[in-house]
Amino acid sequence: QQPVQSPQAVILREGEDAVINCSSSKALYSVHWYRQKHGEAPVFLMILLKGGEQKGHEKISASFNEKKQQSSLYLTASQLSYSGTYFCGTAGSGNTGKLIFGQGTTLQVKP
Amino acid sequence: NAGVTQTPKFQVLKTGQSMTLQCAQDMNHEYMSWYRQDPGMGLRLIHYSVGAGITDQGEVPNGYNVSRSTTEDFPLRLLSAAPSQTSVYFCASRLTGDLGQPQHFGDGTRLSIL
Repeated sequence: QQPVQSPQAVILREGEDAVINCSSSKALYSVHWYRQKHGEAPVFLMILLKGGEQKGHEKISASFNEKKQQSSLYLTASQLSYSGTYFCGTAGSGNTGKLIFGQGTTLQVKP
Repeated sequence: NAGVTQTPKFQVLKTGQSMTLQCAQDMNHEYMSWYRQDPGMGLRLIHYSVGAGITDQGEVPNGYNVSRSTTEDFPLRLLSAAPSQTSVYFCASRLTGDLGQPQHFGDGTRLSIL
């Protein structure tokens, strides 16, 4: 039931773009995205709800395709501060609010 | 503005010992949950609560108990610690069970079982 993230790890140079994917085997109602720096707590980035919307947060945006049961996180013109581990959290409809996270994608941005 | 507070930050236990990880939030959030984080496994849900007096199991509940007597506190109890429970534990809360709300995490408790 855990969503699957891909890739597991990615290394970028500053200014390059990256896409992180999150796929579920179950119908989705909501997808959350969080970023975690080493040794710190995960920090909220954005939420996408059923409806196929796309959201943006500075140079980080995300899409949600409920038919394909997947979400993608887009990081454009990456900065050193984007380094960390990105987690998607998913929830199906009709449950009690449980948010189940993927295994994470480690992003390293080099100068 | 404390947010979600977890204590202790670090703990070392011996196999078979019991202990309680504390979690408190001051944001009047109804929904609280516990996750454990292990390398390559992401964040796995242990238990969650949609309000005072209501708790339910997550993905990996075995070996852990929870209770929710107040809105603010959601302690996690290890009944008889095992080396497999060595992990980083995060408590999280959000305003309601509504999945349109962001989740706030505490700083974590790093637990080692010898």
